[in-house]
Amino acid sequence: QQQVKQSPQSLIVQKGGISIINCAYENTAFDYFPWYQQFPGKGPALLIAIRPDVSEKKEGRFTISFNKSAKQFSLHIMDSQPGDSATYFCAASRDTGRRALTFGSGTRLQVQP
Amino acid sequence: NAGVTQTPKFQVLKTGQSMTLQCAQDMNHNSMYWYRQDPGMGLRLIYYSASEGTTDKGEVPNGYNVSRLNKREFSLRLESAAPSQTSVYFCASSEGGGGLFLNTEAFFGQGTRLTVV
Repeated sequence: QQQVKQSPQSLIVQKGGISIINCAYENTAFDYFPWYQQFPGKGPALLIAIRPDVSEKKEGRFTISFNKSAKQFSLHIMDSQPGDSATYFCAASRDTGRRALTFGSGTRLQVQP
Repeated sequence: NAGVTQTPKFQVLKTGQSMTLQCAQDMNHNSMYWYRQDPGMGLRLIYYSASEGTTDKGEVPNGYNVSRLNKREFSLRLESAAPSQTSVYFCASSEGGGGLFLNTEAFFGQGTRLTVV
C-alpha cells in the first residue's frame, strides 16, 4: 500500500519553464511534508519542507503548495535550469517530523537547455 | 564534517552469502534509518532506530537485521542474500528525539549499490 503517490514519473521541461510535480497522501496523521532532491550517484538531500498549518512555502525558485482538504501537495520549480535536472521525491512524516519518512516513487526531471 | 558515511560503496554477493553494511554519522543525531531504493518505488524504510538502544521494523524488514552499535553507528546485515535484495541502500540520520525546536531534516549517505547474483 503506497501511502504517498507521486506523479509524473518523469518530466521534461525547457530551460526557463515551470516544473510541477504532484503528490497525494492517504494518512491524515502526516504532518510534515518535505521534498528531497537526488543527483545521480548521490544520496537524497532536503530541498524544501512544509507543515500543514500553511498553504504555501517559497524558497527561491522552489515553492511547495499544500492542500490539506484534498490531501495533496506539489512542488513548483520556477525558471527551471539544466542544473535542476535530478530526481525529486516527495515525502511525509508524522509527529511533527519525528517519525521516519514515507517517500513517493520519485520524478526524474530533465531540463533541456 | 563528513555527515553520514556508508561502507562499502559497491558490493556483489552470491545468493546465500551474508554481509554487513556499515553506517556512521558524526552529527550527534539520535535517529538513524536504513532505506532501500529501487526503480519506480522510491525509498522504502527497512529499519530505523529512534534512539541509541532501540530499533524498529519499517516497511520492508524481511531478510534484514540491524544493530545500533552506539549513537554514531547503525549497521544493516543480510544473513542470506537473495537476488530480490539487489538494490541501492541508503543510511540516513536525523536529530529526532523530543524537544520543541526539532530539526527534522534527514541527512543521507551516498549509498551502497548491492548486486546479488
